[in-house]
Amino acid sequence: DADVTQTPRNRITKTGKRIMLECSQTKGHDRMYWYRQDPGLGLRLIYYSFDVKDINKGEISDGYSVSRQAQAKFSLSLESAIPNQTALYFCATSGSFANTGELFFGEGSRLTVL
Amino acid sequence: DAKTTQPNSMESNEEEPVHLPCNHSTISGTDYIHWYRQLPSQGPEYVIHGLTSNVNNRMASLAIAEDRKSSTLILHRATLRDAAVYYCILRTAGGTSYGKLTFGQGTILTVHP
Repeated sequence: DADVTQTPRNRITKTGKRIMLECSQTKGHDRMYWYRQDPGLGLRLIYYSFDVKDINKGEISDGYSVSRQAQAKFSLSLESAIPNQTALYFCATSGSFANTGELFFGEGSRLTVL
Repeated sequence: DAKTTQPNSMESNEEEPVHLPCNHSTISGTDYIHWYRQLPSQGPEYVIHGLTSNVNNRMASLAIAEDRKSSTLILHRATLRDAAVYYCILRTAGGTSYGKLTFGQGTILTVHP
């Protein structure tokens, strides 16, 4: 089983609908992240959380919200989806940056907003 | 945030070494240099990181210039499985940006049989 699991893997929805992407991890990491990737571009940080009580906005948080339900779970919501939110979304986790600072990514959730 | 500059694409032949360059002229003294790669249809995966000294691991080597304004990821013998997008990223070790990684567009590596 994957250490970082994202659901759903693929989703097609309509403009204005509410969508939630879920991420769970079994690595025991405190830190979790949501990134978005658009074709031909790198990854852009949406939100990140360094522990259950700590939520921070990234570069492109407008139109998104997150919830850290537990150490192992971090969900991303689009309250009213719009077509330019069509993208590939990645969840990632990391442990203490005093060590490698390595991020572990999920396999991605492809979202299409019509 | 300090930025990195990488070539858009590079090509290599299988079993030959590959040197992927990265410029980071505005790097600060506390920035770590990280490399990730993204294989087709997968999430990025960590390759290697360093601060000042050259680093080696089972996947690659990282050569860091003495002034730290550039670095090179070295794949000693490219395989077809190494075809991916390679990202050079600076990670700030402190301040409000602590821990965040900012991905650029990366270098698309094509490996020919």
